[in-house]
Amino acid sequence: SQTIHQWPATLVQPVGSPLSLECTVEGTSNPNLYWYRQAAGRGLQLLFYSVGIGQISSEVPQNLSASRPQDRQFILSSKKLLLSDSGFYLCAWSTGDVSTDTQYFGPGTRLTVL
Amino acid sequence: QKEVEQNSGPLSVPEGAIASLNCTYSDRVSQSFFWYRQYSGKSPELIMSIYSNGDKEDGRFTAQLNKASQYVSLLIRDSQPSDSATYLCAPYSGGYQKVTFGTGTKLQVIP
Repeated sequence: SQTIHQWPATLVQPVGSPLSLECTVEGTSNPNLYWYRQAAGRGLQLLFYSVGIGQISSEVPQNLSASRPQDRQFILSSKKLLLSDSGFYLCAWSTGDVSTDTQYFGPGTRLTVL
Repeated sequence: QKEVEQNSGPLSVPEGAIASLNCTYSDRVSQSFFWYRQYSGKSPELIMSIYSNGDKEDGRFTAQLNKASQYVSLLIRDSQPSDSATYLCAPYSGGYQKVTFGTGTKLQVIP
């Protein structure tokens, strides 16, 4: 069966500090991978998605970036965090089946920027 | 821009009652529909998917789809306090279109 991991689970960072969040998927090959952000009391905002190694699509211009160095690894980064970057960051995967594309979420990282 | 509309709630129902959660979507080519449950502070969990018009039942959950009306709903029978969560509706249009998530309906089941 497939498993998705995210770490860290929680993070408190000062404004202007760098960020690196990691997501890994087990039990599947060549998944589609997604980064979402959920601000407090808000919906899911798609930040990035990837259909393969080194292939990243950005949905929202911001100070965040994503990379996919390995097939089942997806990294979210920032050089300088803003207060507005606080939120619940979720990684998701799907098989890439263009008829259904069911997405499965990791446990998430709660980021607080002070 | 694709839109997904859900009543934010909270929808309060007594324990044992039927909870009815509704969702409308704007993209007429949507072909797959997902319902996710999100407990407070946790990540969304897939509970139902439906692809064809009509009803699909899974235990206490029934998803209903009407593509002509661009409407999808989730019924929860015999609601339990453990069903208290936010329910996200998510249509998918196929191809490399991303899934679009609604902002969710908060359900409160009162013991």
